[in-house]
Amino acid sequence: SQQGEEDPQALSIQEGENATMNCSYKTSINNLQWYRQNSGRGLVHLILIRSNEREKHSGRLRVTLDTSKKSSSLLITASRAADTASYFCAVSGGSYIPTFGRGTSLIVHP
Amino acid sequence: DAGVIQSPRHEVTEMGQEVTLRCKPISGHDYLFWYRQTMMRGLELLIYFNNNVPIDDSGMPEDRFSAKMPNASFSTLKIQPSEPRDSAVYFCASSLGDGETQYFGPGTRLLVL
Repeated sequence: SQQGEEDPQALSIQEGENATMNCSYKTSINNLQWYRQNSGRGLVHLILIRSNEREKHSGRLRVTLDTSKKSSSLLITASRAADTASYFCAVSGGSYIPTFGRGTSLIVHP
Repeated sequence: DAGVIQSPRHEVTEMGQEVTLRCKPISGHDYLFWYRQTMMRGLELLIYFNNNVPIDDSGMPEDRFSAKMPNASFSTLKIQPSEPRDSAVYFCASSLGDGETQYFGPGTRLLVL
């Protein structure tokens, strides 16, 4: 199975700014998912985007997928202090079982 | 549904002791996953089950680790004997399908002294 790699490893912004984090992978995928993990908690699913989709929205979240570049991005608009968390991408390839990356640690300063 | 339930939430034990972690998946989910998370290694998949059958245990670090799923509503992860390097947060997750959304439990924070 393959693993997605998030970039950057850490991101620090001010409340109200947009936050963008990226995920790259190596081989073809069936879908890609983004999860959030607050400190000391389990991961929470945010968005699943399938390989034939290019963009999905959920509230202040926008996910794009570029299969030609083998990359995805997660955009959080108008960030809030409550968005402070680690964000993980999970890619599902031939084995379908999602494999998680190391995550991006986002800090949003009030 | 109450979501994925894990117990205990915290466990402190001494090296050499047996540790048993428990998980109740969401009813109707066919897949159950056990993960370990540390700062050094990130989130590692240890083993997963489909319809109570272990499918891939290649992530289980050593023979000291074992996992069972005797029925659709219960799974255990056992470490015997435990070692300090086993200290980590252990998560259980379940899903309807193999590539679908995983629902995580709150985790068990294990400290082996």
